[in-house]
Amino acid sequence: AQSVTQLDSHVSVSEGTPVLLRCNYSSSYSPSLFWYVQHPNKGLQLLLKYTSAATLVKGINGFEAEFKKSETSFHLTKPSAHMSDAAEYFCVVSVVLSSASKIIFGSGTRLSIRP
Amino acid sequence: GAGVSQSPRYKVTKRGQDVALRCDPISGHVSLYWYRQALGQGPEFLTYFNYEAQQDKSGLPNDRFSAERPEGSISTLTIQRTEQRDSAMYRCASSLYKGQGGTEAFFGQGTRLTVV
Repeated sequence: AQSVTQLDSHVSVSEGTPVLLRCNYSSSYSPSLFWYVQHPNKGLQLLLKYTSAATLVKGINGFEAEFKKSETSFHLTKPSAHMSDAAEYFCVVSVVLSSASKIIFGSGTRLSIRP
Repeated sequence: GAGVSQSPRYKVTKRGQDVALRCDPISGHVSLYWYRQALGQGPEFLTYFNYEAQQDKSGLPNDRFSAERPEGSISTLTIQRTEQRDSAMYRCASSLYKGQGGTEAFFGQGTRLTVV
């Protein structure tokens, strides 16, 4: 079975400090992993994706994530938080099953930034 | 089109009425997904299609919910005899390749359904 778990429902950091949003996945197959961001009253925007190439993936707005197979993790990081980073973040796994693929969302992590 | 288009953007309906939500995916995209997102929750998988074939409908909550994609392009999600608990944002997404898990999904802006 395939699943994705976001370990924190809410993370709060001060502006200028590092951000860490944690994600663990479970998959019987080689997964592709994504992080999406959703700002209030906006649609879902792709931040970055891992598709079995480089394990360290760089995305937009200074975010990056590292795929660690041994830990089944794909944590999202940013060295220095900005006020505009406040949003909901979703870790997503995509798995190929037979001749089809399925996309599964984590429950989300709400990131708050303190001035 | 340039992106995934959903209509209507907002729908208010009375309990017991049927509603049809439309999704027009990016041209040429093979896979189409429907999700439901309650306030403060992550998107919940409902169903998806590859071309016109419905691959998985395990996420549909009950038999009042159905979806079709008859020509492998536009899809309609229909909710019959709506109930207040059906109120949510309904999101559609499409991706380019069938069976290619590495291809990201592109999301529409969603349809906000309110059942009163």
